[in-house]
Amino acid sequence: GEDVEQSLFLSVREGDSSVINCTYTDSSSTYLYWYKQEPGAGLQLLTYIFSNMDMKQDQRLTVLLNKKDKHLSLRIADTQTGDSAIYFCAERKGQGGKLIFGQGTELSVKP
Amino acid sequence: GAVVSQHPSWVICKSGTSVKIECRSLDFQATTMFWYRQFPKQSLMLMATSNEGSKATYEQGVEKDKFLINHASLTLSTLTVTSAHPEDSSFYICSARYEDYGVPGANVLTFGAGSRLTVL
Repeated sequence: GEDVEQSLFLSVREGDSSVINCTYTDSSSTYLYWYKQEPGAGLQLLTYIFSNMDMKQDQRLTVLLNKKDKHLSLRIADTQTGDSAIYFCAERKGQGGKLIFGQGTELSVKP
Repeated sequence: GAVVSQHPSWVICKSGTSVKIECRSLDFQATTMFWYRQFPKQSLMLMATSNEGSKATYEQGVEKDKFLINHASLTLSTLTVTSAHPEDSSFYICSARYEDYGVPGANVLTFGAGSRLTVL
């Protein structure tokens, strides 16, 4: 099966919170990342979390990590239409920086 | 800081020709760069790890003679798609690793904007 899995779609209303979920399989992953991809563009790093942390908050973004369940989530508070994009979670394999990506979750924000 | 530039952003070529894509780290040195391929509505698939001054490490199933990688300097890696065919049409994205000194060891990757290849 896939190393990293995400649900494919999420639709929310502007102003609501969005929660994007991700599961991974490698318990030795040291860092987990969230990237944002807008249409036709590359990936923009949003945030990352070290595996010994449970939570990391950065302005509107909150990352929760449940290492026991290998579950990662990204919460976007007060979601705006400009947040519409595809969000990828990724786990880092080994020390070399190689990242394994999930399939991406397409977030649609409706006014 | 930590900007990666890719060129060209899009290219159209005839079947059988070769195409070179450049990936540059603009404000930092990158001993390691990564090349990904992305099909529409799909995730990024790692193709190879490019190491400055040595041979690239290819992922299983990626033809090294088809996708030539050269990492001749600390700021430049190139991917050449040789004898391109329509099935090579894709979005190719490079990334470079840099140290986030606020969190040592984080090995953050920063990505280029991607290069869309269309082979006719």
